[in-house]
Amino acid sequence: GAGVSQSPSNKVTEKGKDVELRCDPISGHTALYWYRQRLGQGLEFLIYFQGNSAPDKSGLPSDRFSAERTGESVSTLTIQRTQQEDSAVYLCASSPRRTGSGNTIYFGEGSWLTVV
Amino acid sequence: GESVGLHLPTLSVQEGDNSIINCAYSNSASDYFIWYKQESGKGPQFIIDIRSNMDKRQGQRVTVLLNKTVKHLSLQIAATQPGDSAVYFCAEDSTGGGNKLTFGTGTQLKVEL
Repeated sequence: GAGVSQSPSNKVTEKGKDVELRCDPISGHTALYWYRQRLGQGLEFLIYFQGNSAPDKSGLPSDRFSAERTGESVSTLTIQRTQQEDSAVYLCASSPRRTGSGNTIYFGEGSWLTVV
Repeated sequence: GESVGLHLPTLSVQEGDNSIINCAYSNSASDYFIWYKQESGKGPQFIIDIRSNMDKRQGQRVTVLLNKTVKHLSLQIAATQPGDSAVYFCAEDSTGGGNKLTFGTGTQLKVEL
């Protein structure tokens, strides 16, 4: 497809389990971002990948969270030993480069994670 | 940022009226600002942006105003339509390129017919 694709769209998991969330950016986009959005709140920055540079991980809330990106393609956000406070929508976005302009940042529709 | 839990600030306007959505940002070093629209179940969509060397920018039916003195941003929507109903977020950035956006908590805009 032409947009940012995320999977799964919905995930219910038991507390303590690990989850993986996947993001397929727009083809050719070198920058990729992960944000977390709790119900009724704004987006929280988690991590940013730009090409082959070291990722900016400054937003990851704990060492239970990690993310990887293979080259300039797919990214996976992993949450280990999930807790109920991890319940949120996890949004991925991509842009063509270190963009300089917000109108080239495209968001996916998110992965809704519920930890029970 | 501050949390408003499940109770987003809500602005209700009549169809055809103008809407003004306000946002207070936190970082005096922020030099780039974006307004996003988020419809239910979807990711945020870009509406308009402004850099700190400007105080006003106009788009199609939308205007963004920036007051750096009081760290305030507003979004004006002219002739509000039912399709404008959504949650609106402001976002600020100090990296110069929108690479690490800090989002506000959002305002729910409801357009009444």
